Amino acid sequence: EDQVTQSPEALRLQEGESSSLNCSYTVSGLRGLFWYRQDPGKGPEFLFTLYSAGEEKEKERLKATLTKKESFLHITAPKPEDSATYLCAVRYNNAGNMLTFGGGTRLMVKP
Amino acid sequence: EPEVTQTPSHQVTQMGQEVILRCVPISNHLYFYWYRQILGQKVEFLVSFYNNEISEKSEIFDDQFSVERPDGSNFTLKIRSTKLEDSAMYFCASRGPGSYNEQFFGPGTRLTVL
Repeated sequence: EDQVTQSPEALRLQEGESSSLNCSYTVSGLRGLFWYRQDPGKGPEFLFTLYSAGEEKEKERLKATLTKKESFLHITAPKPEDSATYLCAVRYNNAGNMLTFGGGTRLMVKP
Repeated sequence: EPEVTQTPSHQVTQMGQEVILRCVPISNHLYFYWYRQILGQKVEFLVSFYNNEISEKSEIFDDQFSVERPDGSNFTLKIRSTKLEDSAMYFCASRGPGSYNEQFFGPGTRLTVL
């Protein structure tokens, strides 16, 4: 049973077309939800950490939000350089310090 | 800005050979990790390391795998006898002190087992 599920798997946007990526989780005792950006052939690049429902974090065109069951990564007026795979990961009770990742959303922004 | 570095960037080996993947974590970090990502699949946890010993390991991390911090800067992953299914990107990550700090990942080593 998947503990972290991301949707959609792929998303094509026109430059300037805002949208949201979803990360739903079924773990109990969340100790942190993390968003990473991954470019092809590279390592995950840290974006945000969210700890409790209602929390929001922003960075440039990205805004991450968290509820008790899911997190959203909102992308406002994206640019082609925002094209990447966005990964969501969780830390939770009884799982130590490991991160459990979702499958990612591959975002393509066309000029 | 401090970053995690990994060498080599690409390693090609024959099945049954031993490989050592190397990582230099961020200098003041205390927690170290290895993850792997098979092409087209999720990033998977392998092992965490703190205070010179393994803290946790996944089912993937069997007797063929070992980790070591041979000196004050390097952190290594050894695969004793590689299998075809070990082909993947291997990522090292490190985390600073504190319970909730994020993990920072290196650029990865692409391991190809022939």
